[in-house]
Amino acid sequence: EAGVVQSPRYKIIEKKQPVAFWCNPISGHNTLYWYLQNLGQGPELLIRYENEEAVDDSQLPKDRFSAERLKGVDSTLKIQPAELGDSAVYLCASSSGQGKETQYFGPGTRLLVL
Amino acid sequence: DQQVKQNSPSLSVQEGRISILNCDYTNSMFDYFLWYKKYPAEGPTFLISISSIKDKNEDGRFTVFLNKSAKHLSLHIVPSQPGDSAVYFCAALKDTGRRALTFGSGTRLQVQP
Repeated sequence: EAGVVQSPRYKIIEKKQPVAFWCNPISGHNTLYWYLQNLGQGPELLIRYENEEAVDDSQLPKDRFSAERLKGVDSTLKIQPAELGDSAVYLCASSSGQGKETQYFGPGTRLLVL
Repeated sequence: DQQVKQNSPSLSVQEGRISILNCDYTNSMFDYFLWYKKYPAEGPTFLISISSIKDKNEDGRFTVFLNKSAKHLSLHIVPSQPGDSAVYFCAALKDTGRRALTFGSGTRLQVQP
C-alpha cells in the first residue's frame, strides 16, 4: 500500500513569490493534516481536514497561507507571498479518522525562501 | 508554552546496549502518546504508542513506559543497533478538541558500532 505522497520534495523560491505544495494521503484515510517543521523543532499543526472540511485551521496564518481539499482526497497548501521565515519543512499526514488513530507522515517538502 | 518536552537533544550509545529516550509533558488532558522516528530527508515514521490507561507497551526491541503521576514517558530500545540512529520525537494527543499531535523537539540518537 502506498504511503502519503508529497510533491515537490524541495523548492527554492525568492521572497514574495507564491508556492504550492501537494499531498495525496493514504487511500481511505479521511483525515488529512498539514504540519510545519522548523529546524530543530517538532512538527506543528497548520490545518486538519475531515474529508473536505477544514475542522481546525486555527494555527494557519490566513493572511498568506491557504489550503484546500476539494474532493476530500488530495490537498494543496499555498503560500502567497512567501517570506524568509517560511523556510521550513512542510509535512502532510493522514489518518483513518477512527478515534486515537495513528497519523502517518509523508516525506515532506523542504522550502527555502531566498 | 511547550507542552511536550524532550530535554536531551542528543544521546550516544554503543551497539547492543540499551537506549533510553525521555519525554515529559505538562498537559494532563493528553491521553495517548506516540513515538516517531525520523531519518534525514524523510518524514516521521510511527514507532510505538501507548494509551494513558496503560503503563507499558512493548513491540519487539521497543518498549514505552508511561508514568502518569510524573507526566513522564520513556522509550527503551534493547538492544540498540546502528540502524536505530535517527531523531526520535515524542508526541501526545487529546482525544477531544483539536486532536492534533503535540510534538517534542526531538532527541538525536547515535548508536556507535
